[in-house]
Amino acid sequence: AQSVTQLGSHVSVSEGALVLLRCNYSSSVPPYLFWYVQYPNQGLQLLLKYTSAATLVKGINGFEAEFKKSETSFHLTKPSAHMSDAAEYFCAVSEGGGSQGNLIFGKGTKLSVKP
Amino acid sequence: GAGVSQSPSNKVTEKGKDVELRCDPISGHTALYWYRQSLGQGLEFLIYFQGNSAPDKSGLPSDRFSAERTGGSVSTLTIQRTQQEDSAVYLCASSSYSGDYTGELFFGEGSRLTVL
Repeated sequence: AQSVTQLGSHVSVSEGALVLLRCNYSSSVPPYLFWYVQYPNQGLQLLLKYTSAATLVKGINGFEAEFKKSETSFHLTKPSAHMSDAAEYFCAVSEGGGSQGNLIFGKGTKLSVKP
Repeated sequence: GAGVSQSPSNKVTEKGKDVELRCDPISGHTALYWYRQSLGQGLEFLIYFQGNSAPDKSGLPSDRFSAERTGGSVSTLTIQRTQQEDSAVYLCASSSYSGDYTGELFFGEGSRLTVL
């Protein structure tokens, strides 16, 4: 069975500092991996996705994530935080290989950015 | 519309009443999903529809929950005899299955349900 673990329900950084949100997954098949962002009172928006192509994936708003099979990780990073990055971030896994089904989400990490 | 549309955006009901939540997916998307988002619990999968196939109901928490999708488009999630623990945001998402499936889901803004 697939699962996702996000380390840290809350992360706080200063504006301009590095953002690192951790995600580890478990999957018995090659996974597709996703990061979604949810701003207050809004739905989820895709930040980036890994679908077995390049292991370093670049997304919107300067975020990127690296797929590391040996560590079963897909951590999200951004070199310099901006106040507008304050939101909740969700990592998700899907069964890869072309099959369709639901995404399994982590419990989310709320990012706060201090001025 | 261009995105996934959900209604109502907010619903307050009394314990024991039935509620219906509606989702209108992106036109042409064959797959539709319902998730529940509770505080501190992340997103919990409820049910998944794909084309004319039988829905995957494996995430429904009890038999008080049901969903249908009419004509392969609009879906309704029904919660019967609501309980206070049903209070949550119910999110609908849709996706397009093409030959190059990538798994991206497009989410609506959710229906916030409060059971008093």
